Amino acid sequence: GQQLNQSPQSMFIQEGEDVSMNCTSSSIFNTWLWYKQDPGEGPVLLIALYKAGELTSNGRLTAQFGITRKDSFLNISASIPSDVGIYFCAGRTSGTYKYIFGTGTRLKVLA
Amino acid sequence: DGGITQSPKYLFRKEGQNVTLSCEQNLNHDAMYWYRQDPGQGLRLIYYSQIVNDFQKGDIAEGYSVSREKKESFPLTVTSAQKNPTAFYLCAISGLDAGELFFGEGSRLTVL
Repeated sequence: GQQLNQSPQSMFIQEGEDVSMNCTSSSIFNTWLWYKQDPGEGPVLLIALYKAGELTSNGRLTAQFGITRKDSFLNISASIPSDVGIYFCAGRTSGTYKYIFGTGTRLKVLA
Repeated sequence: DGGITQSPKYLFRKEGQNVTLSCEQNLNHDAMYWYRQDPGQGLRLIYYSQIVNDFQKGDIAEGYSVSREKKESFPLTVTSAQKNPTAFYLCAISGLDAGELFFGEGSRLTVL
């Protein structure tokens, strides 16, 4: 099945640093979702995007719906140790209820 | 997420046995989904259902079966035909209008 290309696959950063990750698709999406997953738990929805160019924030997190509708970006500012986890993007095309997921970005924050 | 209950959280089974994972929701959402997650990998869609008594195969439906007799319930049966069933299984829901997809806490199945 189709999966989104998500990068980077993993990253180690120092506490206080900003983090950026992105997802790209060969298909045009009308919805982009960003999740965080802790070990052994279900993914938790962080941000939902519905319009090309849309920029949405949730605390220290900011996500953008790419203008081409084939990509999306997530930024985390001033990272803290509890930001550790796996971040997933997901996209959905118009007229379908089927979401496609990225392969995840594993984030580790060094105190 | 609140309103989505998956059970059991951990399940062990012997090879050749069928096992059913439960997913119940009280948020009145129309669409329900089952995903499979393997270590270090993303989520792969097994089955999804938009309305009662109707469901569609996802990308990896072989060896699995589902039913949607009630709006609030979408159980997944992992059959003996599934050759590599050990995985983390996630149930999710969404509304027909809203774009958000909400997940349960997951069920970890281990085949001994």
